[in-house]
Amino acid sequence: EVQLVESGGGLVQPGGSLRLSCAASGFTFSSYWMHWVRQAPGKGLVWVSRINPDGSYTTYADSVKGRFTMSRDNAKNTLYLQMNSLRAEDTAVYYCAWDLTGPRDYWGQGTLVTVSS
Amino acid sequence: QSALTQPASVSGSPGQSIAISCTGTSSDVGAYDYVSWYQQHPDKAPKLMIYDVSKRPSGVSDRFSGSKSDNTASLTISGLQAEDEADYYCCSYASGYIYVFGTGTKVTVL
Repeated sequence: EVQLVESGGGLVQPGGSLRLSCAASGFTFSSYWMHWVRQAPGKGLVWVSRINPDGSYTTYADSVKGRFTMSRDNAKNTLYLQMNSLRAEDTAVYYCAWDLTGPRDYWGQGTLVTVSS
Repeated sequence: QSALTQPASVSGSPGQSIAISCTGTSSDVGAYDYVSWYQQHPDKAPKLMIYDVSKRPSGVSDRFSGSKSDNTASLTISGLQAEDEADYYCCSYASGYIYVFGTGTKVTVL
């Protein structure tokens, strides 16, 4: 059974940092692109970033480029999102996703990040 | 990286068919046959309903169908049921090796 479990969310002050993790199981993690998608409270879905199977290539939405860094540890089947210089508008539930928009598409339950003083 | 445009809400009676549009540009919807549709119930993770414009993942009802013409994609739900009441989002691959979601549509079953 596929499982994606996000963790690391919480309350952080503007300008602060947070690292999210996503533990994957039930599929060959090292063979697939992975993604982060976020959703502000009461708002729509926003794609954040993606990473290739070996972790050598990433792309980001303009809204987070230069502040967020996505990485992965294939030995630990874990995905990461390092978030720096956080802003109030980064407040959202952050989902990790496997095979986004593909036939095996699967999302975790999300972790809430709140940026507030 | 503007969001794709969807109607804010669509409604229909049980058994009817409804369609949700998703309008993008020649850099996203119009450029690639990589449009997908997600269903999201309150406080739940999104569920993929359509991928690659018109393909259904295993387990998704054939009441859901997708199409695309130029810069606009559409999701049609036929034989509307109470359980179809949810938010729906389109998503497209876009130039620059990124993805973009739609603004979302709330479907109400009357």
